[in-house]
Amino acid sequence: KNQVEQSPQSLIILEGKNCTLQCNYTVSPFSNLRWYKQDTGRGPVSLTIMTFSENTKSNGRYTATLDADTKQSSLHITASQLSDSASYICVVSAVGLTGGGNKLTFGTGTQLKVEL
Amino acid sequence: KAGVTQTPRYLIKTRGQQVTLSCSPISGHRSVSWYQQTPGQGLQFLFEYFSETQRNKGNFPGRFSGRQFSNSRSEMNVSTLELGDSALYLCASSFRTSGMYNEQFFGPGTRLTVL
Repeated sequence: KNQVEQSPQSLIILEGKNCTLQCNYTVSPFSNLRWYKQDTGRGPVSLTIMTFSENTKSNGRYTATLDADTKQSSLHITASQLSDSASYICVVSAVGLTGGGNKLTFGTGTQLKVEL
Repeated sequence: KAGVTQTPRYLIKTRGQQVTLSCSPISGHRSVSWYQQTPGQGLQFLFEYFSETQRNKGNFPGRFSGRQFSNSRSEMNVSTLELGDSALYLCASSFRTSGMYNEQFFGPGTRLTVL
């Protein structure tokens, strides 16, 4: 069964500090992996999307890494800001083998709170 | 370029009623996916339409249905509403199907409350 597990479930850090969020998946066959940021009550916003050949991808202060061998990804946030407080969701796409196209499996997210 | 729009943004219904939600994708996008999000459950996939055809369907009862029009706009219908249907319903669009290597853009969501 395709699964995406994220850790920690929640995290509190001080403004200016760095943090790393983890994503482990068992999705197969792998197509691509995405990270989204979701502010409370709003739709998710894409941060990065990576295929198996991409080890690192950055979007401003956000850097995602992917290890397709160990099926792990991380999202590193540098110099955190209050506006980084949100839920961060890892999503993995599996190649569709029986028609209907690729299928997405969503993690339940890491709730990040940045405090002064 | 305008983003994904969803209407209405908020909706209050009573049990047993039915509801129709609307989603207008980004211009040029042919894929529209629908998700249900409840506290503690994360995003649950409902279905995806691509060029007016349902491509994938999640594990939701038949009370949940959708369709896509020739202009790629999509509607989602929920019949015989239950209290457990209270959730944020999100629509997302992409140029190719959602699972392909392309960015998926989410709308702001419709907050449905069933009383």
